[in-house]
Amino acid sequence: EAQVTQNPRYLITVTGKKLTVTCSQNMNHEYMSWYRQDPGLGLRQIYYSMNVEVTDKGDVPEGYKVSRKEKRNFPLILESPSPNQTSLYFCASSSAEWNEQFFGPGTRLTVL
Amino acid sequence: TQLLEQSPQFLSIQEGENLTVYCNSSSVFSSLQWYRQEPGEGPVLLVTVVTGGEVKKLKRLTFQFGDARKDSSLHITAAQTGDTGLYLCAGAGSSNTGKLIFGQGTTLQVKP
Repeated sequence: EAQVTQNPRYLITVTGKKLTVTCSQNMNHEYMSWYRQDPGLGLRQIYYSMNVEVTDKGDVPEGYKVSRKEKRNFPLILESPSPNQTSLYFCASSSAEWNEQFFGPGTRLTVL
Repeated sequence: TQLLEQSPQFLSIQEGENLTVYCNSSSVFSSLQWYRQEPGEGPVLLVTVVTGGEVKKLKRLTFQFGDARKDSSLHITAAQTGDTGLYLCAGAGSSNTGKLIFGQGTTLQVKP
């Protein structure tokens, strides 16, 4: 089954404790991206990747890092999480950045 | 900067009623996608409209792309409780390059 998986689905952590949210897709897509979703603000892109070893900032990259060492994986790293990073995070993949986006199930992160 | 404004942001109606959601911009898009997101899940593509003036139907859902390709609408006939969810529009750049621009979403609640 074609899918995008994210782990964990739920995470409660404390300020400053480094965390990684994993994302994996099995559709051989070149384009992957991370979004955060907040009430009234819609989906805002954090980082995206056009291909292996190619990443770039989206609209709200501050406080986040990503890597793309393999085509299928695109982890999101929060080196020192802060409460304003409490949000619902989605990973997405696509054959091209303007084509249909396939979203993962989401990760709800709470930073205390 | 390209922006997509969705209206209304929230809609609560009774089962059987009709409704229309609007997605407007001052920019021209080469195509426009509509997604639906259910609680606890990622957005899922409903339809892509490409040609100015295009109308697509998906059962009780009718999607229209404006003649100038700056706006789109989603009309639901005889809404059902299963239509409840968040509806997102997303526009692709004028030359099918660049990332998708998402609207902030319309939350639809259909009451029995």
